[in-house]
Amino acid sequence: DVKVTQSSRYLVKRTGEKVFLECVQDMDHENMFWYRQDPGLGLRLIYFSYDVKMKEKGDIPEGYSVSREKKERFSLILESASTNQTSMYLCASSLPTMGEKLFFGSGTQLSVL
Amino acid sequence: GEDVEQSLFLSVREGDSSVINCTYTDSSSTYLYWYKQEPGAGLQLLTYIFSNMDMKQDQRLTVLLNKKDKHLSLRIADTQTGDSAIYFCAESKRTGGFKTIFGAGTRLFVKA
Repeated sequence: DVKVTQSSRYLVKRTGEKVFLECVQDMDHENMFWYRQDPGLGLRLIYFSYDVKMKEKGDIPEGYSVSREKKERFSLILESASTNQTSMYLCASSLPTMGEKLFFGSGTQLSVL
Repeated sequence: GEDVEQSLFLSVREGDSSVINCTYTDSSSTYLYWYKQEPGAGLQLLTYIFSNMDMKQDQRLTVLLNKKDKHLSLRIADTQTGDSAIYFCAESKRTGGFKTIFGAGTRLFVKA
């Protein structure tokens, strides 16, 4: 089974802090994604990566950056956390094949105070 | 547009059938998915259908696709309390790489 692991289940940070959310997948997937999930809004794509050292902006990249130095690891960085970034963050991975079925981690609930 | 719309809440009695509906706007979508999210967990792919199909059945799950109306539905037969979860409809299309658009999710509540 594909395993996508997010380093923290819950995280509490202060406004202005730099925050790192880590995601690791063990199935050699080329594609990795970061989404945020907010009630009533579903999942919104922040950034994605199709290869090592490659990144593309999603629909809501403002206030975020990413890093993909190794194929299995995709990090989401909040340069200066703000209260409107309080959310559930979901990492996903997939193969670049037909259909792009996404495999998700369990999520990180981030609270910015 | 790229909106995927679904109702936010559905309540059914245990043993009844559940039908979760979804509409999408992009006719170029190639794959349509249903993901399930249980409390405290990430999303898990439940089933999917290619855009050239109109029905797919997998045990208790039946997916119906009306491409003309851009309408997708998920029917769960003999709904159990363990089916209580949020169900996300999603569409995926190849435009410079696959892009997956999710709906807001339908919370299914199963009454014992």
